[in-house]
Amino acid sequence: GEEVAQTPKHLVRGEGQKAKLYCAPIKGHSYVFWYQQVLKNEFKFLISFQNENVFDETGMPKERFSAKCLPNSPCSLEIQATKLEDSAVYFCASSQSQGGVYNEQFFGPGTRLTVL
Amino acid sequence: GENVEQHPSTLSVQEGDSAVIKCTYSDSASNYFPWYKQELGKRPQLIIDIRSNVGEKKDQRIAVTLNKTAKHFSLHITETQPEDSAVYFCAAYAGNTPLVFGKGTRLSVIA
Repeated sequence: GEEVAQTPKHLVRGEGQKAKLYCAPIKGHSYVFWYQQVLKNEFKFLISFQNENVFDETGMPKERFSAKCLPNSPCSLEIQATKLEDSAVYFCASSQSQGGVYNEQFFGPGTRLTVL
Repeated sequence: GENVEQHPSTLSVQEGDSAVIKCTYSDSASNYFPWYKQELGKRPQLIIDIRSNVGEKKDQRIAVTLNKTAKHFSLHITETQPEDSAVYFCAAYAGNTPLVFGKGTRLSVIA
């Protein structure tokens, strides 16, 4: 597709429940990025993938967050045992390549996660 | 790691006036500086970018300048219009590292 797709649009979870978000990158893009945007607008980098391999996971709170990009499947971001502070909009972005020459990251519409 | 500071956090201008948003970065290895516009409830969209081998780039009413020595870059919007109202983010990229964003500037253009 020509746009990054994310599902669901909105997700509501009780504290302690699991949340799973999905992202389909633009066809032909080999890099996928996940960002968390909290109410103050700040973007926090979580993790990036080169195809199905983790490229950079320096931003991931590893205790409860995990992510995958498997062949022929949407990428996913999973939060086990959600906390109130996980409430945010989660954006996925994809780009053609990274490393050396930078290529534009195209963002998906985001998933708004609300933890009650 | 890279740190990007962005100022001001909010900016109000009269329609037709110019708006300037400034960013500084810390990593001298950064070589790519994009600017994103995010309207309320929407995804960020790239509006202009500049690479480290260029000092200035212009696209109609939008321009970006880069001073590598001082490690700062700025977004200039001329003849502002109400539809320019949004949150603008600068970012820096140092190669094989995550894109690091500034904290955003909320621009309001008053008709």
